[in-house]
Amino acid sequence: EAQVTQNPRYLITVTGKKLTVTCSQNMNHEYMSWYRQDPGLGLRQIYYSMNVEVTDKGDVPEGYKVSRKEKRNFPLILESPSPNQTSLYFCASSLVASHFYGYTFGSGTRLTVV
Amino acid sequence: SQQGEEDPQALSIQEGENATMNCSYKTSINNLQWYRQNSGRGLVHLILIRSNEREKHSGRLRVTLDTSKKSSSLLITASRAADTASYFCATDARNSGGSNYKLTFGKGTLLTVNP
Repeated sequence: EAQVTQNPRYLITVTGKKLTVTCSQNMNHEYMSWYRQDPGLGLRQIYYSMNVEVTDKGDVPEGYKVSRKEKRNFPLILESPSPNQTSLYFCASSLVASHFYGYTFGSGTRLTVV
Repeated sequence: SQQGEEDPQALSIQEGENATMNCSYKTSINNLQWYRQNSGRGLVHLILIRSNEREKHSGRLRVTLDTSKKSSSLLITASRAADTASYFCATDARNSGGSNYKLTFGKGTLLTVNP
């Protein structure tokens, strides 16, 4: 089944403890992206990647890192999480960066930082 | 920055009725897409309409695009309880390079279809 897989689905962590949210797609998509979703603010892009080793900042990149060493994987790294990073996170992928194709979203990771 | 803004924020209808949601945006676009999100779940792509298209259909969905007014509408006909979800428009803004390689989402319309 074609899908974007995120792990974990739920995560509660403490301030400052480094964490990684994994994202993997099995559709050979070139483009991958991370969004966070917060009440009243909608979805905001954190980082995106147009292909292997090509990443760029979205609208809210502060406090996050990403890497794209392989085409299928696009992990989101929080080096020192803070409570304001408590959010619902989504990974998404698309065939190519031109956006003439829709995004496929993962099921989401609900992160709580205490 | 928010590109698309959906209207209304919430809509409640009876099963069998039609639901219309609107989206307005600010800058020139390559295409506009609509997504559905069931509570807390991932977004599901519904339909994409390109800037040179005016109307598109997919099953019970009908999307229109008016680039002169920078607006789009999503019509769901003969709604069902299973259509209850949030609906988002997303725009692929055009820049001098062709695309800014980002889909920008609105805040969504919460549709409730009562049995």
